[in-house]
Parts: sequence; structure tokens; C-alpha cells
Amino acid sequence: RKEVEQDPGPFNVPEGATVAFNCTYSNSASQSFFWYRQDCRKEPKLLMSVYSSGNEDGRFTAQLNRASQYISLLIRDSKLSDSATYLCVVPRNTGGFKTIFGAGTRLFVKA
Amino acid sequence: EAGVVQSPRYKIIEKKQPVAFWCNPISGHNTLYWYLQNLGQGPELLIRYENEEAVDDSQLPKDRFSAERLKGVDSTLKIQPAELGDSAVYLCASSLGSGSSYEQYFGPGTRLTVT
Repeated sequence: RKEVEQDPGPFNVPEGATVAFNCTYSNSASQSFFWYRQDCRKEPKLLMSVYSSGNEDGRFTAQLNRASQYISLLIRDSKLSDSATYLCVVPRNTGGFKTIFGAGTRLFVKA
Repeated sequence: EAGVVQSPRYKIIEKKQPVAFWCNPISGHNTLYWYLQNLGQGPELLIRYENEEAVDDSQLPKDRFSAERLKGVDSTLKIQPAELGDSAVYLCASSLGSGSSYEQYFGPGTRLTVT
């Protein structure tokens, strides 16, 4: 089993829709989590951090479920410009610090 | 403020040839990372530097890959000899420090094609 797993998608949604992705992780000691966004043929960029209490930034909401070891990203009122790959990131501190990226979930928002 | 700079952006070489990638991190960022990203996959760490010290190179295939970060600023990643399976995007990233609370900033990457 991979340390960080994501549904690769693609998720195809119409503009204005609400869409959610989950990401499961195996290292229960992980304390912080991130969502990065990667546009086609571009570099990853930080979208938002995921705190224990959750995090909301405009149309984006990130949640953490420690008991079930997953984080989620909710996008409300999807825009065409939200089309991208969303990478789940789980830093690991056991056995030395390392940043583990998920394979990403592809989202297509259509008009 | 300038971001992470990488060159070249694209490189096409024949197998068994050497290739080198260069990265200039954001000014003041002590931590530098080299990642490899295959199509449809997330970035995978090759090596992490704290200043000029390689603190994690456990995933670097040392028989053909080498890296250096002289003076703790710019870094180069070299492959010699290249194999067909090395075709991928090589991403450089930097952060102010090392640890789970630091955001990593990525460069545009070098897209390598080995023929």
C-alpha cells in the first residue's frame, strides 16, 4: 500500500458544481498536510495547508479526519480555471523528514 | 521576487549520454530539493540539501545520478549515462527551512527525453 493514495479521476464537473476529493495516508504520526495544485505541464504550487480544525479559503475547504487517516478538499462553485491536478502532500517525520506526494486527482471543469 | 530558476527547460539526448540540470533557489532558502516526476504521478524526492549538505539522498540512484550544491546556493543534478527510463520531468524546489511547516516552492522543471 502506498503511503499516500488518491483517486486519480478524472473528475468531470460542470461550472458551478461542488466537487470533493479524498486522500488517504498510512503514517498515523503525520501531523501536517497540504494540498498542492498542478496545472498541465506546470510546476506544483501550494493551494492550502490542512489544519486539525480544518481550513477554508474562499471556495476551497480542506478537512482532516485523523481517525480514518484521510484529508479532503472541497471546491464549491467550480470555475473553468479550477481545472488542474490536485496533489495531496503528507510530510513524514519518522525515519527522517520526507515529503510524500500523492499521485494527484485530475479535475476538469466544463462550461 | 524571483522564483526558483531551472535550466534547461527541455533536453533531448540519446541513451548513454550524460546530462546536467541546474537550479537556482529562491534567495535565502536554505533547503533545496530535487524531485523526479513521471507522467500521471506525483513528484518523488531524489535528494534534499540543507545548505551545502545532502541530508537525504536515499532515493538517488547513485550508480548514475550525482548532485552537488556548492556554497549552499545553486545546485546541479547530473545523470551519466542516461537510460530510456530516465525520461521524466526533473523538478527543483526550495524552502526557508526543513520540516513539515515550510512551504516548498517549485521551479518550472526540466523535461528530459532520452531516445
